[in-house]
Amino acid sequence: KAGVTQTPRYLIKTRGQQVTLSCSPISGHRSVSWYQQTPGQGLQFLFEYFSETQRNKGNFPGRFSGRQFSNSRSEMNVSTLELGDSALYLCASSPITAGNTEAFFGQGTRLTVV
Amino acid sequence: QQQVKQSPQSLIVQKGGISIINCAYENTAFDYFPWYQQFPGKGPALLIAIRPDVSEKKEGRFTISFNKSAKQFSLHIMDSQPGDSATYFCAASDSGGSNYKLTFGKGTLLTVNP
Repeated sequence: KAGVTQTPRYLIKTRGQQVTLSCSPISGHRSVSWYQQTPGQGLQFLFEYFSETQRNKGNFPGRFSGRQFSNSRSEMNVSTLELGDSALYLCASSPITAGNTEAFFGQGTRLTVV
Repeated sequence: QQQVKQSPQSLIVQKGGISIINCAYENTAFDYFPWYQQFPGKGPALLIAIRPDVSEKKEGRFTISFNKSAKQFSLHIMDSQPGDSATYFCAASDSGGSNYKLTFGKGTLLTVNP
């Protein structure tokens, strides 16, 4: 079974630009979550989507948004990029069946804002 | 408010030794406690997980000990190997509700010397 696929792996953007990251979950997984990982703050939850609906959102500004498509693939968008948005963005997929809430992560997209 | 506190930040052990990483949580609604292993340039990989109905779970050289009354859980790596050198994250979630998300500890950088 293929794992979680995130594209692109690396991205360099200029402050003020916007960026879109993509995540393809494990086949059959309907829940997709996004996390931001930085050396100072660690892994922080951004949002979670299930069946194309955002169910939960972390404490991030409105510049961070996402969506999920009918095939469970998800995208996240960051507008008006700031230097502090430089981070590893991780996507995790989960089956979310009764008693099974395991989350499997992709390799992440390394975003550098200059 | 840091809901999951992890210690130590870094740990150095000799090959063959026991590595112990501790975590404490505050939210009594948490009912799923996974540990993740992350190598440089990779996403976190699920290592082992436990639910509060058991006090210990063992998988190979990895053991989780769980103390519900103290709201603490720990990861023990027996016979530590240089290949175990990585960053380890504990996490917790409340899987009973529809708001599925993982709250992570800050991570422990483990170095196993040969």
